[in-house]
Amino acid sequence: DTGVSQDPRHKITKRGQNVTFRCDPISEHNRLYWYRQTLGQGPEFLTYFQNEAQLEKSRLLSDRFSAERPKGSFSTLEIQRTEQGDSAMYLCASSLGHPSRDYGYTFGSGTRLTVV
Amino acid sequence: AQSVTQPDIHITVSEGASLELRCNYSYGATPYLFWYVQSPGQGLQLLLKYFSGDTLVQGIKGFEAEFKRSQSSFNLRKPSVHWSDAAEYFCAVRSYNTDKLIFGTGTRLQVFP
Repeated sequence: DTGVSQDPRHKITKRGQNVTFRCDPISEHNRLYWYRQTLGQGPEFLTYFQNEAQLEKSRLLSDRFSAERPKGSFSTLEIQRTEQGDSAMYLCASSLGHPSRDYGYTFGSGTRLTVV
Repeated sequence: AQSVTQPDIHITVSEGASLELRCNYSYGATPYLFWYVQSPGQGLQLLLKYFSGDTLVQGIKGFEAEFKRSQSSFNLRKPSVHWSDAAEYFCAVRSYNTDKLIFGTGTRLQVFP
């Protein structure tokens, strides 16, 4: 297993277009998270899944954003009608989510979105 | 509300010098604390984490961090910095009731030869 994989690495899109990002977690990890990071800031939580169930969504996740994890493996994050303020690095992470809570998170390299 | 403060936006050190990056958290219960490092254009790499037990935690790349409950701090240290340590460092806390990480704004480390 090579870790958390995100595709594409970079995406440039025109304002108003829809974009979709994909994240493949570490295969044995049942939890998957999406974060957004703008320039000069720390990552901000967007949403997370346990298997295919979306357990929490941030208020940052407006109705233009939708995330899915249909089979409990890979996940997609779609942004509809992109705005310039959506320009950011979108990071995916996964974890074992073990009941003992003694677990960490493995992050992917991110997808950098530029809206022009 | 839970929060993480990294007071130093930018730190410059000479190669071989010691390093301490500050992190303060605001959290009502026992925190789960993390330090991550991020190279330009890259994702986050976990340096170390604290859940319980020994308050001095050893991590990768020669880093360590000390949890001080009385000061609500989790400072990251390294005795001798290498040029390859130049990067952005993020402290984070995980809430007990949810599974999200709350990050600080980061400290950019610059290393001079």
